[in-house]
Amino acid sequence: DTGVSQDPRHKITKRGQNVTFRCDPISEHNRLYWYRQTLGQGPEFLTYFQNEAQLEKSRLLSDRFSAERPKGSFSTLEIQRTEQGDSAMYLCASSLRTAGEAFFGQGTRLTVV
Amino acid sequence: ILNVEQSPQSLHVQEGDSTNFTCSFPSSNFYALHWYRWETAKSPEALFVMTLNGDEKKKGRISATLNTKEGYSYLYIKGSQPEDSATYLCASSTSGTYKYIFGTGTRLKVLA
Repeated sequence: DTGVSQDPRHKITKRGQNVTFRCDPISEHNRLYWYRQTLGQGPEFLTYFQNEAQLEKSRLLSDRFSAERPKGSFSTLEIQRTEQGDSAMYLCASSLRTAGEAFFGQGTRLTVV
Repeated sequence: ILNVEQSPQSLHVQEGDSTNFTCSFPSSNFYALHWYRWETAKSPEALFVMTLNGDEKKKGRISATLNTKEGYSYLYIKGSQPEDSATYLCASSTSGTYKYIFGTGTRLKVLA
């Protein structure tokens, strides 16, 4: 499969725990995005990488959220001290060009109990 | 318009009907407009990327138009089929930023 893959697909965690999600983009894509989607809303931008550089972060991204893309390949999104409000679908996407067609993974659904 | 807005929020049509949805977006500093189809339990799938005022794109029974001056795009589906049932999302990107701003989507249900 040469699409964007995300792991895990589902995660249930207790409030206060840390979680980490992984995204493997399409191999030749140097642009990578993280989005969050909650019920009834469209995907909400979290952060953007070009190669290994994190070039844009949403102001909504609290200091409990951190993302990395070492060596410009896969990316991880970590949420520390999870809260119930963090429950959402976390989507990763990659693209070849800025504002070009973005290819999405199937997402990681996080439930904080 | 400061955000991306889509209408209607949801829609039920009969198989064979044609339908259309609207996406409104900020027209200032416009860079590109994207349409995606998102079926349950699958990844959002890109339908179109449009950049020029007056652009029209077509893929099979689905087509889209773009008006960047007034900040709107229409998505048309001709002869709807049950497999067209999905949420249709539009997203706008502006110059000077890398992010796509998504609307809340139009949920289409095509009844056989």
